[in-house]
Amino acid sequence: TQLLEQSPQFLSIQEGENLTVYCNSSSVFSSLQWYRQEPGEGPVLLVTVVTGGEVKKLKRLTFQFGDARKDSSLHITAAQPGDTGLYLCAGNNFNKFYFGSGTKLNVKP
Amino acid sequence: NAGVTQTPKFRVLKTGQSMTLLCAQDMNHEYMYWYRQDPGMGLRLIHYSVGEGTTAKGEVPDGYNVSRLKKQNFLLGLESAAPSQTSVYFCASSRSTGSINYGYTFGSGTRLTVV
Repeated sequence: TQLLEQSPQFLSIQEGENLTVYCNSSSVFSSLQWYRQEPGEGPVLLVTVVTGGEVKKLKRLTFQFGDARKDSSLHITAAQPGDTGLYLCAGNNFNKFYFGSGTKLNVKP
Repeated sequence: NAGVTQTPKFRVLKTGQSMTLLCAQDMNHEYMYWYRQDPGMGLRLIHYSVGEGTTAKGEVPDGYNVSRLKKQNFLLGLESAAPSQTSVYFCASSRSTGSINYGYTFGSGTRLTVV
């Protein structure tokens, strides 16, 4: 069982659509990050959130950390083919480190 | 802007052989990590280090050993490789205050096949 559950596991959408990816847990995290990974490469950090209720924006990407610091969401507005990849959430509670199993996103032109 | 450098990028081992994966970071990060990534299993932590000379076990440490003799280097060793260790291995480093992890910088990975 994964401490961090991501949903959906797979998402295939058309260019221009909006989407939301969720990262849920029953545990509290000190901080949480989102990464994007492309085939044959290591994950690349998109954002770190540390405060409950925090919202961060990165161009068309909006990240939210739940008030209780147990969950997070990633919303992409007007998805583009360049957004295609594996999206991973990761959390830590002091020296305990966890990754979600990922959401594989395919944006079709 | 090297970041995290892993060597080698690819390796094929026979069952029972040993090898060491090398990881170097140039960001002066205290924390370093070794993860393995398998289809359907996500990223799983093997070992990590919170500073030079210290190491700790992660979720899947069996069959692996690590050393952090210098702050910038973190080595992962396989003493007697098994087919179950076929995987993609990622090294990462991060700035951390102990409670807050500010995010990993990952290397590009080592694809290991044990036959």
